[in-house]
Order: sequence, then structure tokens, then C-alpha cells
Amino acid sequence: QKEVEQNSGPLSVPEGAIASLNCTYSDRGSQSFFWYRQYSGKSPELIMFIYSNGDKEDGRFTAQLNKASQYVSLLIRDSQPSDSATYLCAVNEGNTGNQFYFGTGTSLTVIP
Amino acid sequence: DTGVSQDPRHKITKRGQNVTFRCDPISEHNRLYWYRQTLGQGPEFLTYFQNEAQLEKSRLLSDRFSAERPKGSFSTLEIQRTEQGDSAMYLCASSLILSPFEQFFGPGTRLTVL
Repeated sequence: QKEVEQNSGPLSVPEGAIASLNCTYSDRGSQSFFWYRQYSGKSPELIMFIYSNGDKEDGRFTAQLNKASQYVSLLIRDSQPSDSATYLCAVNEGNTGNQFYFGTGTSLTVIP
Repeated sequence: DTGVSQDPRHKITKRGQNVTFRCDPISEHNRLYWYRQTLGQGPEFLTYFQNEAQLEKSRLLSDRFSAERPKGSFSTLEIQRTEQGDSAMYLCASSLILSPFEQFFGPGTRLTVL
């Protein structure tokens, strides 16, 4: 069983700070890694994905991947109250986008 | 609004009854996924279709669950002889074959089994 581990939180940061969310995965064969945001009572929405070691930036979001350590993180710069949500990490074992394995999510609260 | 629709949005049923959910993906999307999510957990993969072909099904999925996508457009998920443990949010997502990682989720169907 492929496992994706996240600290469930809650994580609280003040408005304007950097929020750091972490995820580890068990399957060394995992190829692609995803961050989803899920507001309470809503369905997940894709923020970004990464499949190469290093950093990938998209606006205020930066995903970081270290395959040797089986670790992926998401940094949110200049955090806003609207970023308050649960952040789900997901992994995919290949390049064909078949099975996705999700973590339990980290709850983030941005305090105004 | 992601464009994926699911019906019904809520379903309450008694244990032992059969239920069927429907998912209409974004029109040009070839791939369709079903997930189950319980409170405090991430979505759990159930199955996925590429066009009308069901290509993968979770090994954890009970035989009481079956899914179809007869014409490669909408899909149905049926649960037979429901159990209280089936209570969850059932999510559908779709994507393009050329962009398999960009899944768009529907609003979900919340099932409560009494």
C-alpha cells in the first residue's frame, strides 16, 4: 500500500507570513507529485504539480521536491486569510496519470 | 465551477439498499476518476476510465461497488447492499489524456447510510 504522510495540523500563520507544508511518501517509484487545496465542504482543486527534483514556482506558491529523501513541500508566500484551507499532497506512480494516492491533508489557518 | 457535475448531491439511504450516482465530466475530457473521501481523510482512489474502458480499479474496492461509462461520456457508480461504512463523499474527477495530471473535481455526492 503506497503511503503519503502529512502533518494534519492545524497549522496557523499570521497574514503575510510564509506557510510551509510538508509531505513524505513511501514509494520510491513515485514520479509525479501534486498539491491540492480543499476548502471546507468543497472539492479539491489542483494548485500545482512537480516531477523534477528542485523547486517549481507559480505565483505565491513554490513546490519543492527531493526524491532522494522522498519529500515534497509547498511554500505559500505572503499568506492571505483566503489561503485558509486543507492542503492535500498526492503522488502518482507513473507518467500516465492513473492512480493518485492522497495524504490526509494539512489544515492551514491564516490569521488576519 | 469546474464543469464536472454530479447527481445527486446528497443521498440518504437505509442499510442494505442499492444506490447509484452519476457523474458528467467536462465535455472533452477522456479520463474519468471516482474517489471516496471520509471526514479527515484524503480522497481514496476507487477506479478510473479512459473513454469507455475501465482501466484500473482499486484492490481495496468491494465487489458491491461497480462503475460504468457506457459511451465514454457520463459515468455511474453503483453501490449494492449499502453498509454504514459506505457513508462518505463520493467524488468524480475528469482530465484530458494529454493532461492527465490536471484533474478537475466535481462537487461530490454525500452518501449517508442509516
